[in-house]
Amino acid sequence: EAQVTQNPRYLITVTGKKLTVTCSQNMNHEYMSWYRQDPGLGLRQIYYSMNVEVTDKGDVPEGYKVSRKEKRNFPLILESPSPNQTSLYFCASSSTGALNGYTFGSGTRLTVV
Amino acid sequence: SQQGEEDPQALSIQEGENATMNCSYKTSINNLQWYRQNSGRGLVHLILIRSNEREKHSGRLRVTLDTSKKSSSLLITASRAADTASYFCATDAAGGSYIPTFGRGTSLIVHP
Repeated sequence: EAQVTQNPRYLITVTGKKLTVTCSQNMNHEYMSWYRQDPGLGLRQIYYSMNVEVTDKGDVPEGYKVSRKEKRNFPLILESPSPNQTSLYFCASSSTGALNGYTFGSGTRLTVV
Repeated sequence: SQQGEEDPQALSIQEGENATMNCSYKTSINNLQWYRQNSGRGLVHLILIRSNEREKHSGRLRVTLDTSKKSSSLLITASRAADTASYFCATDAAGGSYIPTFGRGTSLIVHP
């Protein structure tokens, strides 16, 4: 089944403890992107990647890192999480950017205490 | 920055009625997409309309695009309780990265 898989689905962590949210897609998509969703703010883009080793900042990149060493994987790294990074995170991928629409993962609900 | 803004923020209707949501954006676009999100779940792509198209249909969905007004509308005809969800428009700026940016969404509730 064609899908975007995020792990974990839920995560509670403490301030400052490094964490990684994994994202993997099995559709050979070039484009991948991370979003965070907060009440009243909609989806805001964190980072995106147009292909292997090609990444760029979105609207809210502060406090996050990404890497794209393989086409299928696009992990989101929080080196030193803070409470303001408590949010619902989505990974998405597409074959030709926006032209065919994005396939979204099920989301990761992160709480930083 | 968020390119598209949906209107209204919330919409409550009875089953069988039509639901219309609007999206306005600021800069020229390559295309505009509509997505649906059930509570707390991932977004699902509904329909994409290119900047040179004016109207597109998919089942009970009808999307229009007016590039002169920088706006789009999503019409759901004969709504069902299962249509209850949030609906988002997403745009990618002309000459940009083809990575869509999303609005804040319209929350639709369809009462049975």
